[in-house]
Amino acid sequence: NAGVTQTPKFQVLKTGQSMTLQCAQDMNHNSMYWYRQDPGMGLRLIYYSASEGTTDKGEVPNGYNVSRLNKREFSLRLESAAPSQTSVYFCASKPGYEREKLFFGSGTQLSVL
Amino acid sequence: GQQVMQIPQYQHVQEGEDFTTYCNSSTTLSNIQWYKQRPGGHPVFLIQLVKSGEVKKQKRLTFQFGEAKKNSSLHITATQTTDVGTYFCAGPRGGYQKVTFGTGTKLQVIP
Repeated sequence: NAGVTQTPKFQVLKTGQSMTLQCAQDMNHNSMYWYRQDPGMGLRLIYYSASEGTTDKGEVPNGYNVSRLNKREFSLRLESAAPSQTSVYFCASKPGYEREKLFFGSGTQLSVL
Repeated sequence: GQQVMQIPQYQHVQEGEDFTTYCNSSTTLSNIQWYKQRPGGHPVFLIQLVKSGEVKKQKRLTFQFGEAKKNSSLHITATQTTDVGTYFCAGPRGGYQKVTFGTGTKLQVIP
């Protein structure tokens, strides 16, 4: 099993460009998450999807959109990238019930110049 | 701002010394989880605490959940170089699906 797969692993964008980060899980999980990690800030929740067909804002949703394409896939879109969005992005999933652990992908390192 | 703070932000210890990180939430948590992220890696689940005052041990690691369920600690006895990484606490806020993380403590172990 691959677990949680994120693509791409690295990306460099110019300010104003758009891109979509892809995430797929093969564990039949209901809930999926997007976090960003910045030095000294820990992991901050951008958006999450509790189940297929639903999405909700996290702590830092501004500048991002998400799509829960199906049960397996949850994408994160930057419509007009800004330097402040330079970060490492992690996708995670869990079965969807209370008190379960998160499984993380290997991350996408994004630089916006 | 971040609602779950961890202290310290960084810690350098000599191999063999003990290490403790503290996690403080502004609100009561139904449960708290701890994750470890190795340098260049992704967070990996370590343990979950659910009950008030709960203490759990994993070999040299001791985890504690506060009586008020607003704080938690992770203590490592006799650190080893394999303990290097960033340790995060996490808990549900605004519903059990909304899992938020603390600011993390980065541990460096000097051989």
